[in-house]
Amino acid sequence: KQEVTQIPAALSVPEGENLVLNCSFTDSAIYNLQWFRQDPGKGLTSLLLIQSSQREQTSGRLNASLDKSSGRSTLYIAASQPGDSATYLCAVPTGANNLFFGTGTRLTVIP
Amino acid sequence: DTAVSQTPKYLVTQMGNDKSIKCEQNLGHDTMYWYKQDSKKFLKIMFSYNNKELIINETVPNRFSPKSPDKAHLNLHINSLELGDSAVYFCASSLHETVSGANVLTFGAGSRLTVL
Repeated sequence: KQEVTQIPAALSVPEGENLVLNCSFTDSAIYNLQWFRQDPGKGLTSLLLIQSSQREQTSGRLNASLDKSSGRSTLYIAASQPGDSATYLCAVPTGANNLFFGTGTRLTVIP
Repeated sequence: DTAVSQTPKYLVTQMGNDKSIKCEQNLGHDTMYWYKQDSKKFLKIMFSYNNKELIINETVPNRFSPKSPDKAHLNLHINSLELGDSAVYFCASSLHETVSGANVLTFGAGSRLTVL
């Protein structure tokens, strides 16, 4: 049974700092891993998708890595901004038509 | 705008009532989903619908019934609402099934259901 854990559950950093969010999964037989962002009272926005054959993906100030053998993914945010404040979720496909979400990390970037 | 739209955004109702949440996507996607986000912010799949095939999460009570009149719509009907049904319900869609290599889910903004 797949379990997806994100540590820490909450993180506060001053503006401008680089930071890393962690995602761990127990079943490494995954096709891909996605990182999402959820703003309060809003839906989820897909940030990055890493296919199982890839080791990392980059989009602007975001860089996501994937290490299937260790069951880990990280989301690196460079030069954080107050607008980055949100909850970040990682998710992996499992079973038929199912995306299994992690517990999320609530990020606060302090101006 | 191309998007996944769901209505209503907020729904407050009494226990025992029957209610529906509608979802529409104009992205041309093949697969649609309903997710439930509970008070602890944990997101869990409820249903997925792909090419007229409905896949039901076995933990979902049969009071919940998805209805898909066509590929662009997947509505969620809930009978005999209970206090524990209070949550945010998210609709989503994807071009293919989630097990595909580069399949990205697009989510709606959510519908917050409060059962009194």
